[in-house]
Amino acid sequence: GEDVEQSLFLSVREGDSSVINCTYTDSSSTYLYWYKQEPGAGLQLLTYIFSNMDMKQDQRLTVLLNKKDKHLSLRIADTQTGDSAIYFCAGSNFNKFYFGSGTKLNVKP
Amino acid sequence: SQTIHQWPATLVQPVGSPLSLECTVEGTSNPNLYWYRQAAGRGLQLLFYSVGIGQISSEVPQNLSASRPQDRQFILSSKKLLLSDSGFYLCAWSVGGYGYTFGSGTRLTVV
Repeated sequence: GEDVEQSLFLSVREGDSSVINCTYTDSSSTYLYWYKQEPGAGLQLLTYIFSNMDMKQDQRLTVLLNKKDKHLSLRIADTQTGDSAIYFCAGSNFNKFYFGSGTKLNVKP
Repeated sequence: SQTIHQWPATLVQPVGSPLSLECTVEGTSNPNLYWYRQAAGRGLQLLFYSVGIGQISSEVPQNLSASRPQDRQFILSSKKLLLSDSGFYLCAWSVGGYGYTFGSGTRLTVV
């Protein structure tokens, strides 16, 4: 299967921008995703990007995809305490999804 | 609207006991269905996926099995639980190549 890697922790101050990074191995992934998991809850799809795109912006979220380096990032502008959660990067290949280990984002007031 | 139901939310089971976790989907037909497990401090691991009734693919060899007796029902089972089966189990569905919709998860503790 595909390997998807993320750093485990990120800590930022409220109002700053957060950038969560992800690398993957399978270049045949059609879509790449970012999910958010709040404590005790299931995963919530935040945004996704099609593999032929370089960037996608959705309100405070910006996704950047570097296919050459197999690198995906999620930027959260004006980070709020409510953004504290675990963020999962995922790639899809055919009918299967592969997730990274998740990055825990801690937003300090 | 499309919803996914997963139960129970929490479960404590002794080692060697059987397991049955159920997941049902509403509002969609012929979804792809998935079981994932998140072990403590680790990422999500794909356990099983199904593209149709009776069609189950296993991603990793383990003490678990899955069945899909109906189009929108996916069941995760074990005949004898191990301590290492403890974790957070998530059911999910997708239609086509778009992303997942996840259930709320079951926290299983094997004691």
